Amino acid sequence: DAKTTQPTSMDCAEGRAANLPCNHSTISGNEYVYWYRQIHSQGPQYIIHGLKNNETNEMASLIITEDRKSSTLILPHATLRDTAVYYCIVSGGYQKVTFGIGTKLQVIP
Amino acid sequence: GAVVSQHPSRVICKSGTSVKIECRSLDFQATTMFWYRQFPKQSLMLMATSNEGSKATYEQGVEKDKFLINHASLTLSTLTVTSAHPEDSSFYICSVNSGGAPDTQYFGPGTRLTVL
Repeated sequence: DAKTTQPTSMDCAEGRAANLPCNHSTISGNEYVYWYRQIHSQGPQYIIHGLKNNETNEMASLIITEDRKSSTLILPHATLRDTAVYYCIVSGGYQKVTFGIGTKLQVIP
Repeated sequence: GAVVSQHPSRVICKSGTSVKIECRSLDFQATTMFWYRQFPKQSLMLMATSNEGSKATYEQGVEKDKFLINHASLTLSTLTVTSAHPEDSSFYICSVNSGGAPDTQYFGPGTRLTVL
């Protein structure tokens, strides 16, 4: 079973920041938070991961709460090409991963 | 990250035939690859873990004799759907572990299988 909870869907205006929340209240101390996205009819794409510190890369930022029970993926300036299903996954990093249903993000012009 | 390819991208076959799907790690030697299946409007479901040089590990409910996995080299894993039936029609996706600390999975583009 997936160990994360995400909203089923979200809308975001083009050019605005998209903030995608994820709850993972049962995360273990050695588990990382990973984010992937899947654009329609394509394989998932890795976005970012983190353990406890906030992380940023060219695609997004990951904000993890101090208690690590939740996190937020931030796409700073959403474009139409960011429309996809976003998956938040917790994993020890050497384990098989389980995908939940994710959040369907619709970027609106 | 690792670049992963799959071939074919789409395949249509008749019921009862077998179909082979290839997954290649183009720039990385992968000791472990994963095979997923995704039905329309559903999430990815892990089918099996493919280990180079050894037998694959199948998830509960996945028939190992129907979904044959071969991981003969560090860059190639194959999934063969034997005696395919319409209910096997799905989107099949492979992934490789980066081997980093922690591991990160990188996914192929997927193969759309349609069984008539």
